[in-house]
Amino acid sequence: AQKVTQAQTEISVVEKEDVTLDCVYETRDTTYYLFWYKQPPSGELVFLIRRNSFDEQNEISGRYSWNFQKSTSSFNFTITASQVVDSAVYFCALSTLGGATNKLIFGTGTLLAVQP
Amino acid sequence: DSGVTQTPKHLITATGQRVTLRCSPRSGDLSVYWYQQSLDQGLQFLIQYYNGEERAKGNILERFSAQQFPDLHSELNLSSLELGDSALYFCASSVRYGTGELFFGEGSRLTVL
Repeated sequence: AQKVTQAQTEISVVEKEDVTLDCVYETRDTTYYLFWYKQPPSGELVFLIRRNSFDEQNEISGRYSWNFQKSTSSFNFTITASQVVDSAVYFCALSTLGGATNKLIFGTGTLLAVQP
Repeated sequence: DSGVTQTPKHLITATGQRVTLRCSPRSGDLSVYWYQQSLDQGLQFLIQYYNGEERAKGNILERFSAQQFPDLHSELNLSSLELGDSALYFCASSVRYGTGELFFGEGSRLTVL
């Protein structure tokens, strides 16, 4: 079975602090995709990144970086020098190619509150 | 703006009623997905359509049904509504299955009183 675990329910930091959001996934498939989505207070789901299972290179995009480690089945997300606008719920998600669908399986989300 | 349009944005109705949520996918996207987000269940996959045909089913209740029309827009029908059906319903689309990201609409917030 596929599963995504985000153990951190809520994180509160002060602006300019670095923060890491953890994501652990489970799948027996060898080909899969991992995602992070952001849900700001306005409610929409915003795509942040996709990583496939064959690409373990870390990725950096501005203040965001992602660390993918197959050995620990983790796909962690770090925000450097956090800002108030980063306050949102962040979801990690998994998609496999098994069957005929690439539906996303979401974790329960981590609420990040960045205090000024 | 993801390019996925959902209507209505907000809906308030009573128990026992029936509502229809509508979704227009991004131009060129053939797959449409419906998700339900509630406080106790999180983001739950309901159903997927690909080019008019049902592709996958998740935790969708029998009181709920969906379809995708020839112009690729989709509708989610919720009937015999209960208080517990109050949730944010998302539609998402992707160009084809097997690649990756889903692009989500802004959601339809349903409140059942």
